[in-house]
Amino acid sequence: QLQLQESGPGLVKPSETLSLSCTVSGGSISGSPHYWGWIRQPPGKGLEWIGSMYYTGNTYYSPSLKSRVTMSLDTSKSQFSLKVNSVAAADTAVYYCARASGSNWLVFEYWGHGTPVTVSS
Amino acid sequence: DIQMTQSPSSLSASVGDRVTITCRASQSISNYLTWYQQKPGKAPKLLIYAASTLQSGVPSRFSGSGSGTDFTFTISSLQPEDFATYYCQQSYGTPVTFGQGTRLEI
Repeated sequence: QLQLQESGPGLVKPSETLSLSCTVSGGSISGSPHYWGWIRQPPGKGLEWIGSMYYTGNTYYSPSLKSRVTMSLDTSKSQFSLKVNSVAAADTAVYYCARASGSNWLVFEYWGHGTPVTVSS
Repeated sequence: DIQMTQSPSSLSASVGDRVTITCRASQSISNYLTWYQQKPGKAPKLLIYAASTLQSGVPSRFSGSGSGTDFTFTISSLQPEDFATYYCQQSYGTPVTFGQGTRLEI
């Protein structure tokens, strides 16, 4: 059974960089045709897609975050990562990693449990 | 961006009720419509994709229909474990967008 687990600091200072990792177990991170995504949810609010990446490294970012976001894949560690630069209070949210596959590359079948991130000095 | 509008935003119902949630897209998305269930403190769970295809393991009391811009999600007979928030999401293209959610309460 595929499992995803997010990890990273729960508290980030304004203007700094938020860095999160998602460790994949029970399946290959480099297998085709899997897509790996990040979705976030501010406290008490709805879901917001951050971006997705193909195992080859192709990335697709939300236009509203594109200038501040970088996603990457580390197959040796079976991890994919998210960096968000210049964070502000509006970036406070629970961050989820997720997997989609094949022609349903934007349908998120597997999700991590989520990791809460607070932006505060 | 494609805007997704769900209604109602909240809904009160009882065990055994039939409930329907609607989702409207700001432009045609064919059948690229996905439904998720989210319980407090938990990650969303995929229920239905391609507007009407039930994800493996999801009970048959859940169903979806629609195409183009108008979609419906139905629970035929509410069970206690179904009280949660439901989100629609368009998977037609990027950026992915979600509806604002429908909170289903007892």
